[in-house]
Amino acid sequence: EPEVTQTPSHQVTQMGQEVILRCVPISNHLYFYWYRQILGQKVEFLVSFYNNEISEKSEIFDDQFSVERPDGSNFTLKIRSTKLEDSAMYFCASNPLRGPTDTQYFGPGTRLTVL
Amino acid sequence: DAKTTQPNSMESNEEEPVHLPCNHSTISGTDYIHWYRQLPSQGPEYVIHGLTSNVNNRMASLAIAEDRKSSTLILHRATLRDAAVYYCILIPQRGGGSEKLVFGKGTKLTVNP
Repeated sequence: EPEVTQTPSHQVTQMGQEVILRCVPISNHLYFYWYRQILGQKVEFLVSFYNNEISEKSEIFDDQFSVERPDGSNFTLKIRSTKLEDSAMYFCASNPLRGPTDTQYFGPGTRLTVL
Repeated sequence: DAKTTQPNSMESNEEEPVHLPCNHSTISGTDYIHWYRQLPSQGPEYVIHGLTSNVNNRMASLAIAEDRKSSTLILHRATLRDAAVYYCILIPQRGGGSEKLVFGKGTKLTVNP
């Protein structure tokens, strides 16, 4: 069964450094998402992406964040200057179509630790 | 975003049925009811969804109240692998709202051997 993959599984970085989290969505899917989950807290929506542009973003997704689909398979989340509070699990998700009956398929996540 | 209310935690014994409730009294007529779960140290995983009628799939059943103000996820025979946090999420029809998933705290299900 096709699945969403994410790399790396764990990223450790120093505060102020740039990080890029990578995702490979399921190949025929059209909508892509990033969510994050701070330890012990809820899963929070960051951004959705369709047709090579952001379709929605949350208040968390400020100028320090960006997303890109650089080729036909990868979907990346960049944090330009990491803060301690960016430490969290970051989940990528994809779905084939937009709509209320559509399923979002999540990757296993990248644990980001900012020191 | 329409709000859902779930118990913080529930406990079950292995191979027994589990009924996980969700209240969504402010649901709109076009909202779909989705359930996702998150196993420990994993990403969320789709379980089931429905609109008005009860639904069954290989993972679970979804019972939707006639007034749609509540629903119940039913695991017919819980296994240890079903221990997870279960989320009830409302998703509006296309054009009626955002496509994002809004997660609450969910219900943490513990399955005892």
